[in-house]
Parts: sequence; structure tokens; C-alpha cells
Amino acid sequence: QVQLQESGPGLVKPSETLSLTCTVSGGSMSDYYWTWIRQPPGKELEWMGYIYYSGSTNSNPSLKSRVTMSVDTSKNQFSLRLTSVSAADTAKYYCARSGESNLFDYWGQGILVTVSS
Amino acid sequence: QTVVTQEPSFSVSPGGTVTLTCGLSSGSVSTGHYPSWYQQTPGQAPRALIHNTYTRSSGVPDRFSGSILGNKAALTITGAQADDECTYYCALYLGRGFSVFGGGTRVTVL
Repeated sequence: QVQLQESGPGLVKPSETLSLTCTVSGGSMSDYYWTWIRQPPGKELEWMGYIYYSGSTNSNPSLKSRVTMSVDTSKNQFSLRLTSVSAADTAKYYCARSGESNLFDYWGQGILVTVSS
Repeated sequence: QTVVTQEPSFSVSPGGTVTLTCGLSSGSVSTGHYPSWYQQTPGQAPRALIHNTYTRSSGVPDRFSGSILGNKAALTITGAQADDECTYYCALYLGRGFSVFGGGTRVTVL
């Protein structure tokens, strides 16, 4: 059974960089798109972007200039960096696996990140 | 900017049928958007229900079904149960590797 687990700081100061890591267990990272999705408290899901196991990336145009993603298949991990954060970036951040057909089939439990001084 | 639209809320009686829809602010939804549907209970990660318009994910009861209705994707719950009370999200693939979620529909069973 594939499992994903997000890790990182739960509190980030405004204007600083949010960094999260997702650790994948129970399966290979090969042939999948490893995705970040966030959800502000009480609001809807927002697709942030993905990194393919080979390292190619794509991200939401609304975030593109602030988002960097990386993957380390030897550690079964992928990471998200979001620069210049503000209160609007306060959200629960989920990592998820996506294959073909726009299916996000496995999700982490999510990590709440609060942006506050 | 393309927006994915969903009804904010729906109410259904136990045992009843409800159809949720997923549209686009401009244009029609087709199978080429690979509609997928997710169920989310408070505090939990979303759970995949339907992908590729019609395909149920493993372990999903057959009372959940996906389709295209007119110019929208649809999720139908037939024989609603109390456990079905939660928020449902659709996601559409808009091309060039870009996916978008809808605003979610909160379903109440009463």
C-alpha cells in the first residue's frame, strides 16, 4: 500500500520561504507525477503543481514564479519550496500521487502551515 | 482564468439520489478533461471516488457513478447513506499538465 507523509515547519514568517518534503513508502516513484495540493482553512482545494519522477515540473500559473519542486528518487522523497509567503499561503498542504487520467489516487494526511510573524 | 464550477451545497434524503455537477466557466466539459471526483470529510485528506469520467476507484461502492450530463461532468449518488454526508470535489485536466479543482459541493443527508 502506497503511503505519503508530509513534513516540514508548521509556522513560517511572512516574506520567508515555505519548504515541505513528502516521503513516499510502499511503492516506486517511477512513472508517476508527484503533486502538491493545498487547502486554506475552510476553503477549496488548489492544485499547485507536480514533479514527474524524472524531474520535469509543471505548476499553477498563479504560483509559478514562487514555486520550486525537486525529487530525490533514491530517498523516495519530493519537495516543495514556496517563496515570499504571505498570510494567503496559510493552508493545509497535501502531497499526492497522480498517474494518467487526472487521478490523484494516494494522498498524504496533510500538514497545516501557518504564515505569521 | 478558467474556473471549475460546482454547486455549493445539496441536500438529499436517506436512500435518495443526488447528482452533483462540475462545469467550466467557459466551454463544455468532455471526457478529454478526464473528470475525477473526490470525497472529503472534515479534517481528512480527500479520497478518490471516480476518475476518467466513469471509472470507480478501488473499494468505492457502486452507488457512486460518474458521467457527462450535457456540458458538465456529473457525480451521482444513488441510495444515499448517512456516511455520504461530506464535501465532494471534482478536478478537471485543462491541458499542458494543468489540473484545476472545483469549489466543492457540501452534501447533507437528512
